[in-house]
Amino acid sequence: DADVTQTPRNRITKTGKRIMLECSQTKGHDRMYWYRQDPGLGLRLIYYSFDVKDINKGEISDGYSVSRQAQAKFSLSLESAIPNQTALYFCATSDWAGTSGDTYNEQFFGPGTRLTVL
Amino acid sequence: QKEVEQNSGPLSVPEGAIASLNCTYSDRGSQSFFWYRQYSGKSPELIMSIYSNGDKEDGRFTAQLNKASQYVSLLIRDSQPSDSATYLCAVISGYSTLTFGKGTMLLVSP
Repeated sequence: DADVTQTPRNRITKTGKRIMLECSQTKGHDRMYWYRQDPGLGLRLIYYSFDVKDINKGEISDGYSVSRQAQAKFSLSLESAIPNQTALYFCATSDWAGTSGDTYNEQFFGPGTRLTVL
Repeated sequence: QKEVEQNSGPLSVPEGAIASLNCTYSDRGSQSFFWYRQYSGKSPELIMSIYSNGDKEDGRFTAQLNKASQYVSLLIRDSQPSDSATYLCAVISGYSTLTFGKGTMLLVSP
């Protein structure tokens, strides 16, 4: 079984709809992240969470919100989707230096969700 | 604004050759450095991490770090067609979030 899973894997929706992307992990990591990837723009951080009670905005948080329901679950919502939110979305997890030594903050990615907003 | 710069490529090498991928970063306080491999339409896969100046080898991969020059590189020995992918350099500084370069596309021809 995959360590980091994302649902759905593909989604087509219309402008103005509310969309939720879900991420679950079995790696036991405290830290979770949401990225989007666009051609020519690379990977950009949307939100991140260092534990269940710690949520932080990333580089491009406008138009998005998140919920950390448990250590293993981190959801990304688009409250009112717009076409320029069409992208590939990745969830990632990482451990922290206190327990992992040389693996300090290595991030592991889920398979991604391809979202198209018409 | 923290920046990570990579040549977009494509870098073309023949099978069996050494591929050399380069990355520079702007934040002198950066602490940890990573190389990811990404096949088209797939998620990034961590292949190397390096934290100290010098070389770190893992199989056919060698990561090199020079903090004074703010430069990190990845060497792939005996390149194979299956190594054809986009290679992403990523750097951590400050609040322990990764800043990614836009990636270098590597093409290995048989």
